[in-house]
Amino acid sequence: TQLLEQSPQFLSIQEGENLTVYCNSSSVFSSLQWYRQEPGEGPVLLVTVVTGGEVKKLKRLTFQFGDARKDSSLHITAAQPGDTGLYLCAGARRGSTLGRLYFGRGTQLTVWP
Amino acid sequence: NAGVTQTPKFQVLKTGQSMTLQCAQDMNHNSMYWYRQDPGMGLRLIYYSASEGTTDKGEVPNGYNVSRLNKREFSLRLESAAPSQTSVYFCASSEGTGYPYEQYFGPGTRLTVT
Repeated sequence: TQLLEQSPQFLSIQEGENLTVYCNSSSVFSSLQWYRQEPGEGPVLLVTVVTGGEVKKLKRLTFQFGDARKDSSLHITAAQPGDTGLYLCAGARRGSTLGRLYFGRGTQLTVWP
Repeated sequence: NAGVTQTPKFQVLKTGQSMTLQCAQDMNHNSMYWYRQDPGMGLRLIYYSASEGTTDKGEVPNGYNVSRLNKREFSLRLESAAPSQTSVYFCASSEGTGYPYEQYFGPGTRLTVT
């Protein structure tokens, strides 16, 4: 069973459009992270959110952690071809002291020029 | 500062052969992880090591063994490779006991078992 459900699985849009990717769970997480992975490479951390209701902005990317710490979203404004990649959310469960992260299955984003 | 390095980058094995994937990190991290990534499945944890001298099973440990050789190195061994183990394998490290647990990934090993 997947602890973190991501949607949509695939997203194909034109340059300049906005998009939102969702990451949902029935479990509570102490922190939630978003990674981006490009073909042939390992995932790279984009952001970490740790407080319920927290919003973080990274240029055109906005990340939000749900009030109940069970879900998160990634919003991209005016997408560009350089945003193309696999976006993964990952959570650390409350009470875990072993550094273990649980990953969603990812959202494959393609932005066409 | 190389971060997390993995060798080899590509490998082709025949069914029943064995091999060891190597991973090293130079960030003085306590915790290290092995994941496999298959299309549509995201990252699934095989084994992890919270600190030097300890290892624990993750979601999909069957068919694999690990060794935490020292604080820097964490290897993954396939004793008798099977086609179902065809995948991309990623090693990662984190401070471990810190909060939150951000992980840093290596470039991956692409393994094909025929």
